[in-house]
Amino acid sequence: DAGVTQSPTHLIKTRGQQVTLRCSPKSGHDTVSWYQQALGQGPQFIFQYYEEEERQRGNFPDRFSGHQFPNYSSELNVNALLLGDSALYLCASSLGSIPYEQYFGPGTRLTVT
Amino acid sequence: AQSVTQLDSQVPVFEEAPVELRCNYSSSVSVYLFWYVQYPNQGLQLLLKYLSGSTLVKGINGFEAEFNKSQTSFHLRKPSVHISDTAEYFCAVSQNAGGTSYGKLTFGQGTILTVHP
Repeated sequence: DAGVTQSPTHLIKTRGQQVTLRCSPKSGHDTVSWYQQALGQGPQFIFQYYEEEERQRGNFPDRFSGHQFPNYSSELNVNALLLGDSALYLCASSLGSIPYEQYFGPGTRLTVT
Repeated sequence: AQSVTQLDSQVPVFEEAPVELRCNYSSSVSVYLFWYVQYPNQGLQLLLKYLSGSTLVKGINGFEAEFNKSQTSFHLRKPSVHISDTAEYFCAVSQNAGGTSYGKLTFGQGTILTVHP
């Protein structure tokens, strides 16, 4: 049974560029949440998708956007990258009926130079 | 709003000694509570969760935690640690279905547990 998978593993971008990160949820899960984990910090909630709609959003600017596909996989897009966007981006999946029981992927390490 | 405070940023301990990692939370409504572990360069693994019922919950790898509503705490314990328990541990909270942040996890800053031989 495959767990949550994310791609790519690592990514290096330049300030001002745009990036897309991808996530496939655990088999049977229909809800995807995204978190940003800066170095030495706990994960910060970005947003959550369920039935292809954004169900919850954290305190992140509109430069952060997402999408969920009919197969429940999800993308996180970040526009106009800033140095401060350098972080580990974690995807978590859950069931829509119990969205708080989240299972995390290995993350994508984004470095903005 | 909800918040989580992990009271110790680093906890060093010798192998086979007991350990307690402390977590306090605040929320305007009832909550669900979680502990996650993160090994270097990896994602988060769920250790245990409190949803309702018995305030003492047992998780994987011999860890347990006790929910104390009056003290708004959810401390993690293990009676005898191993070298392999060296990792960063995160306490997290989610409001229950009555809260505006239902389904969103709020994490503490993390506690680095280092087990020495």
